[in-house]
Amino acid sequence: DAGVIQSPRHEVTEMGQEVTLRCKPISGHDYLFWYRQTMMRGLELLIYFNNNVPIDDSGMPEDRFSAKMPNASFSTLKIQPSEPRDSAVYFCASSFMPGLAATPEQYFGPGTRLTVT
Amino acid sequence: QQQVKQSPQSLIVQKGGISIINCAYENTAFDYFPWYQQFPGKGPALLIAIRPDVSEKKEGRFTISFNKSAKQFSLHIMDSQPGDSATYFCAASTPGGGADGLTFGKGTHLIIQP
Repeated sequence: DAGVIQSPRHEVTEMGQEVTLRCKPISGHDYLFWYRQTMMRGLELLIYFNNNVPIDDSGMPEDRFSAKMPNASFSTLKIQPSEPRDSAVYFCASSFMPGLAATPEQYFGPGTRLTVT
Repeated sequence: QQQVKQSPQSLIVQKGGISIINCAYENTAFDYFPWYQQFPGKGPALLIAIRPDVSEKKEGRFTISFNKSAKQFSLHIMDSQPGDSATYFCAASTPGGGADGLTFGKGTHLIIQP
């Protein structure tokens, strides 16, 4: 298995531009998570999906951020318009939860390093 | 609100020594406590995890000690090696198997000196 795939790995954009980050979860996983990592705030959960349905988006910082999961193998995180303070590493993670007794290990992708100038 | 507090921020240990990283949590509903290891340019990867029904879990050189009454847990790395140099994150999640996402500590940058 190739693991969680994220693209692009690096993104440099100018303030005000739209940015779209992409994620392909591990096949068969039914949960998908988007995290943001910065030096100041560490790892923060932005939103997560279960069976393609958004469950909790309370971590999404502003209306400028939106996420979609049109099918089980693809998700996007969009920032529009982007601002310099959005600069961070964005991680996608997936997991498989066949039941409450299962070990909820999350598998992280390599991340997308976003720089907004 | 920081629900999981991790210390120290950075740690330097000599090769062969014991590395100890501590975490404290506030939410008594947490029932799953994993540790993740992150190398530069990579995503975090699960290292070891514990549930509150046990006080200790050991996997190779890595041990989690858990104190439910104190709401604290720690990671011990025995015989620390240069390859252990990485950033370590403790985390916690509520019932539901962690499906609602993990709350992470701020991380500890560990350096093992040869």
